[in-house]
Amino acid sequence: QVQLVESGGGVVQPGKSLRLSCVASGFTFRHNGIHWVRQAPGKGLEWVAVISYDGNNQYYGDSVKGRFTVSRDNSKNTVYLQMNNLRPDDTAVYYCAKDRRTTTAEGETDYFESWGQGTLVTVSS
Amino acid sequence: DIQMTQSPSSLSASVGDRVTITCRASQYISSHLNWYQQRPGKAPKVLIYAASSLENGVPSRFSGSGSGTDFTLTIASLRPEDFATYYCQQTYDTPLTFGGGTKVEI
Repeated sequence: QVQLVESGGGVVQPGKSLRLSCVASGFTFRHNGIHWVRQAPGKGLEWVAVISYDGNNQYYGDSVKGRFTVSRDNSKNTVYLQMNNLRPDDTAVYYCAKDRRTTTAEGETDYFESWGQGTLVTVSS
Repeated sequence: DIQMTQSPSSLSASVGDRVTITCRASQYISSHLNWYQQRPGKAPKVLIYAASSLENGVPSRFSGSGSGTDFTLTIASLRPEDFATYYCQQTYDTPLTFGGGTKVEI
């Protein structure tokens, strides 16, 4: 079955960098876009970024644009989230999620079909 | 950016109750609206995609409706395992955005 496993979280000081990984299995990885979503402690869900199936397109949320970079290695079934210049408000559980594109009567649409268990990033001095 | 507003932010209900959660988009999003359930300490799980399509394996007591800017998630008869937080999400345009969540409590 589909499995997504995040890793790389931890405690980091403000202004430092961290790289998260998301390793996928159970599906043809190179066929699907992958998203990153985060959740600050006790808060709601915030979409962070997406990378297309082939890695050619990336899009970012406003709060991370210019600081975070998403990339993928289809030979390793892995997506990365490089996070630079981290701030205390980046503290959150970070989830990766598999995109599913489906066709309805009104055309194509996307949803997050499967999620990893999350990895906690804490930004604190 | 498209803002997603859910109401209520929390509700109290009993097993067997019919529960309705609403989600409003700040602009037209057609049917690009998904609903997720999140239990405490767990990752979210999709329930409904494209406003009204039930994800495989999700019980039929969950249903979604709406189009344009106004959407609803209905739980026909609440079961103990349904006590959780529910989020709507638009995938009409980036940045993708979620509603603030609705916590369903006993």
